[in-house]
Order: sequence, then structure tokens, then C-alpha cells
Amino acid sequence: EADIYQTPRYLVIGTGKKITLECSQTMGHDKMYWYQQDPGMELHLIHYSYGVNSTEKGDLSSESTVSRIRTEHFPLTLESARPSHTSQYLCASSDSPLYGYTFGSGTRLTVV
Amino acid sequence: DQQVKQNSPSLSVQEGRISILNCDYTNSMFDYFLWYKKYPAEGPTFLISISSIKDKNEDGRFTVFLNKSAKHLSLHIVPSQPGDSAVYFCAAKGAGSYQLTFGKGTKLSVIP
Repeated sequence: EADIYQTPRYLVIGTGKKITLECSQTMGHDKMYWYQQDPGMELHLIHYSYGVNSTEKGDLSSESTVSRIRTEHFPLTLESARPSHTSQYLCASSDSPLYGYTFGSGTRLTVV
Repeated sequence: DQQVKQNSPSLSVQEGRISILNCDYTNSMFDYFLWYKKYPAEGPTFLISISSIKDKNEDGRFTVFLNKSAKHLSLHIVPSQPGDSAVYFCAAKGAGSYQLTFGKGTKLSVIP
């Protein structure tokens, strides 16, 4: 079944640790996105990719980095986690936003 | 500066009645509008969309109305069901862009 997968679902990690949030999709979509959302707030675009080896920063400044070596895989990395990085991270993909993004279940990150 | 605004953080409706969720936008370059539904601990799921050249789109119990002159759109759910209880996000796409700008969401509670 075509879908988009994010791991881990929940992560509690200490300050200063390096972490990678995984995102994979099986739909062959060229376009992939990372959004950050705090409770009661809008989703903020932090990174996007329109294809392999193409990545751009979004509207919200983020200390994270991304890579797109394969069409189906779009991991997000934080080199040194801080409490201000505590948030929910949502990965999405699309062929065309006219038909809506397909979102993963999200990773809720807590940095202590 | 928020370009997509959902001014009601929450809404409670009796089962069987109509739910009306509102969304205002400021950017006249938006050409496509979408509604997403989000349950706790899950990613948003696409619900319904409307092009800026239309004023109404209907899909089963869900209807979206667009008033371009007022820069306002609304989502009507008739009849409302307890399973509709979720957070609803309004999103907009700029002309020539693949990215979506989201509002803060409205939490709908449908009371049995």
C-alpha cells in the first residue's frame, strides 16, 4: 500500500545529541517537505525538496539539515539537539499540491 | 505575519447539526485552498480543496465555499458526526508554487 512513513514516532533525547528523523514514501513523489508544528500553532515549512539532490530551506529558519539522495527518502538531521528543538516534525510528499500533500504520522521530539 | 488565519481555536457542535469552520487569508496570489483534518498523534489528512476560480466545491458531507472578494473560505460539514472531532487546518497555495501555507487550526468537537 502506498504511504509515507516516519520514524521514530516519539523521541526523548538529551541536549547536545545528534539525531536523524527518518521519512520514506512509496508513492514515487518528486516533492517532499518537512514541517514543524507546536501545539495550537500553524505548520511551518522548514525544508523542501523537488527531486533527488535538490533541497531548499523553508520559511521558518531551522538548525536542522536534510538530504535527498533517493526519491523515496528524505531524512532530517539535527547535529546538536537543544530544548528549543522540542516540537512535532511532520514529513509530507506530493505529486501536485492540487491533490493535497500526503503526511506521515509525525515525530514528536522532546529534548531535555 | 500570518497569511492564513483561523480565528476560532475551537468549535463545539451537536451531532447531526452543521459545523462551519472559517478561514481568512491576506495574500491575493493564493490560487488554491485546501482543508486538512488532524487527529491527535497523527499527521494531517487531506479533506477537500477548491480552486480560486470556483466559489464552491462539494464532496459528500463536506462543502467548501470561497469568497474571493472577502478573502474568506469556509468548510461546512453536514451532518456532523462524532468521528469528525479533530483539528481542521486551512491551507493555501501560491500561484506558481508547490508549497502550502497553513493556518493554526480549529479544534472541532462533535457532541453525541
